[in-house]
Amino acid sequence: DQQVKQNSPSLSVQEGRISILNCDYTNSMFDYFLWYKKYPAEGPTFLISISSIKDKNEDGRFTVFLNKSAKHLSLHIVPSQPGDSAVYFCAASPNTPLVFGKGTRLSVIA
Amino acid sequence: DGGITQSPKYLFRKEGQNVTLSCEQNLNHDAMYWYRQDPGQGLRLIYYSQIVNDFQKGDIAEGYSVSREKKESFPLTVTSAQKNPTAFYLCASSARSTAYGYTFGSGTRLTVV
Repeated sequence: DQQVKQNSPSLSVQEGRISILNCDYTNSMFDYFLWYKKYPAEGPTFLISISSIKDKNEDGRFTVFLNKSAKHLSLHIVPSQPGDSAVYFCAASPNTPLVFGKGTRLSVIA
Repeated sequence: DGGITQSPKYLFRKEGQNVTLSCEQNLNHDAMYWYRQDPGQGLRLIYYSQIVNDFQKGDIAEGYSVSREKKESFPLTVTSAQKNPTAFYLCASSARSTAYGYTFGSGTRLTVV
């Protein structure tokens, strides 16, 4: 039973356009959400996070939006660059090990 | 520089052999974790430890064993009982509160032939 769902296994976006990656969760006890970026044969690296007391957090080209009533968060990347091509994992924290989604593979096409 | 080191990067073993994957961190983190990544499966938790000499099973612990004798080290043994051991294995560590997220190692690709 997946508590964190990333329903799009893959996404293709043209360079310079916006990338929107989505994540849904089922556990209302989750109070902190994180996005990780992963290149092949490497460990994931932390990208951006958001606390449940906020609905938006920005860091440069990356913005995460949280809609608690819908139990939905999204990662916006603007503008998308070829170097953004990677697998993106959504994760949620209930104060036990992080719960990860299955990931979305983003391909940014030049 | 502080970080988390996994070794080796690539590992080949014959079917039926046990193999141990190394994970060392110098971040002074209390908690350490092992995940497995398979195509289309995301990151699945094998074992985790929140304090020395204590560890808990994750979602897919069968066929694996761990130890946590030192704060810095959390080795994972893939035993011959693991049905499909070929995978990419990731170790991570965190401060006590996972709200601040993990630091991941660079992973070990295990291939069993």
